[in-house]
Amino acid sequence: DQQVKQNSPSLSVQEGRISILNCDYTNSMFDYFLWYKKYPAEGPTFLISISSIKDKNEDGRFTVFLNKSAKHLSLHIVPSQPGDSAVYFCAATYGQNFVFGPGTRLSVLP
Amino acid sequence: EAQVTQNPRYLITVTGKKLTVTCSQNMNHEYMSWYRQDPGLGLRQIYYSMNVEVTDKGDVPEGYKVSRKEKRNFPLILESPSPNQTSLYFCASSNVGANYGYTFGSGTRLTVV
Repeated sequence: DQQVKQNSPSLSVQEGRISILNCDYTNSMFDYFLWYKKYPAEGPTFLISISSIKDKNEDGRFTVFLNKSAKHLSLHIVPSQPGDSAVYFCAATYGQNFVFGPGTRLSVLP
Repeated sequence: EAQVTQNPRYLITVTGKKLTVTCSQNMNHEYMSWYRQDPGLGLRQIYYSMNVEVTDKGDVPEGYKVSRKEKRNFPLILESPSPNQTSLYFCASSNVGANYGYTFGSGTRLTVV
């Protein structure tokens, strides 16, 4: 049973618009959440994170929102750029447990 | 440059032939981990290590071994590879408890025929 779910395998967005990637988790023990971005033939790279004591964290064009009661987080990219096209992994952690979601492939169309 | 280096990048081998994938990091990180990435399943943890001589199983440890004799190195050993171990493998490291997230290697694509 997947503890971290990303129900959209893929997403296409027009350049300049907002991209919203969603992630749901089942384990209420998770206390830290991260987003990773992965280009083909490269390892994932850390993008942005949020602690469970917060509901929003912003870094430039990237904002992560956390809704603990719904066990849901989302990554907003505004404005989306063609270079944002990649696979995005949501991850959740507590203690030494570090669980990744299956990923969402984002395509930003020029 | 701070990095995690995996070798080889690509490997094709036959069933039952022992192989080792090396992983080295130059950031003095205490925590190292191996993941495999399969379509639709994301990244699943194979083994992790909190420090030298301290290793533990992740979610999918069957068929794999690891060792942590030095802080910088964390090799992944497949004693008798099987076709279901065909996958994309990533090594990662981080500071323990830093919550800064992992630094990942570039990956090793393994095919077992």
